[in-house]
Amino acid sequence: DTGVSQNPRHKITKRGQNVTFRCDPISEHNRLYWYRQTLGQGPEFLTYFQNEAQLEKSRLLSDRFSAERPKGSFSTLEIQRTEQGDSAMYLCASSAIQGVAGELFFGEGSRLTVL
Amino acid sequence: TQLLEQSPQFLSIQEGENLTVYCNSSSVFSSLQWYRQEPGEGPVLLVTVVTGGEVKKLKRLTFQFGDARKDSSLHITAAQPGDTGLYLCAGRGGGTSYGKLTFGQGTILTVHP
Repeated sequence: DTGVSQNPRHKITKRGQNVTFRCDPISEHNRLYWYRQTLGQGPEFLTYFQNEAQLEKSRLLSDRFSAERPKGSFSTLEIQRTEQGDSAMYLCASSAIQGVAGELFFGEGSRLTVL
Repeated sequence: TQLLEQSPQFLSIQEGENLTVYCNSSSVFSSLQWYRQEPGEGPVLLVTVVTGGEVKKLKRLTFQFGDARKDSSLHITAAQPGDTGLYLCAGRGGGTSYGKLTFGQGTILTVHP
């Protein structure tokens, strides 16, 4: 399967612990996005990369969140000192650069539960 | 900040009925996309509209982009249980923001047999 892959699919952690999620995009895609989604709501933008450059980061993202895409391929999203409010589905998506009409291809997400 | 407001938030209808979902904003978008998401999966693209006033049809689904490129609608004719899911509109801004896709809060559609 050559779609977007996310790991782990599920993570349960205690408040205060650090967690890291990994995303492997579709190989030829230049752009990679991270979104957060709570049940029954639309995805909330966190950040996106074009190749290895982080072009935009949501102001809603506190300094406990950091994302990297060191070689322009896979990406990691780290959450430090997790809080219960961080519990959500973290979605990764990738796209080719296609101007304003580019389609985002999503992974199945990484579900985080903070106890 | 560009915001997209979807309505209604919930829609529960019987098989065979028609429905319309609305997506509104005070901002102009360079393009607008509609995605559908099923439980446990990521959103999947249904359509992209780019030109103001544009209408696209996908079988029983009709999508329209407002003339001013601030709003859009999704109309489903003769809904089927397989249409059940979360419908999301998403817009791209202009200039340096066109890489970012902003989603509405979604419409949860349930079609009963």
